[in-house]
Amino acid sequence: GAGVSQTPSNKVTEKGKYVELRCDPISGHTALYWYRQSLGQGPEFLIYFQGTGAADDSGLPNDRFFAVRPEGSVSTLKIQRTERGDSAVYLCASSRQGKTGELFFGEGSRLTVL
Amino acid sequence: TQLLEQSPQFLSIQEGENLTVYCNSSSVFSSLQWYRQEPGEGPVLLVTVVTGGEVKKLKRLTFQFGDARKDSSLHITAAQPGDTGLYLCAGDGVGTYKYIFGTGTRLKVLA
Repeated sequence: GAGVSQTPSNKVTEKGKYVELRCDPISGHTALYWYRQSLGQGPEFLIYFQGTGAADDSGLPNDRFFAVRPEGSVSTLKIQRTERGDSAVYLCASSRQGKTGELFFGEGSRLTVL
Repeated sequence: TQLLEQSPQFLSIQEGENLTVYCNSSSVFSSLQWYRQEPGEGPVLLVTVVTGGEVKKLKRLTFQFGDARKDSSLHITAAQPGDTGLYLCAGDGVGTYKYIFGTGTRLKVLA
């Protein structure tokens, strides 16, 4: 596709359930980022990949959160034992590798934990 | 921990007024980007500044990177309702491509 695609666009789940959020980046972009955004606030960094490897996962809040990018393209953010505080919009962005790389964002996946 | 603080947090002004948004940190950044975000969409890049003291203009928007590369400002001249949105600064630390976003400034321009 022409842009970054994120699915699902909306996910409602119950506390304690497992969820997966998918990101399909722009073709050829080597860097992929995950952010979490609460209403009216700036995106909070979670993790970024260069190719298949996680270059920096310092933003993952705890071990319930995990992300993979097995073939260096599509990425999945996995959240175990969801909590109400996990409710937010999860944004994915991709970028060509480079010093002044523009981040191209998807429209986000809105997660609501009841 | 790198933090980017933006001020003001909220701004509501009349069409035609000028405004400045600030982005401040105690950390040095390799580059500083400004994004605008509309409801239900991801942020979209407006500009990137990479050199201390650099000034870039994009129509009615003027961006400046601080001399020490720790802060930046966005000035809008003669604001229009179409400028309404959430403005975000983002910086990448020296030697990393990890982009940290600021706290955001929500701008509303009234017709």
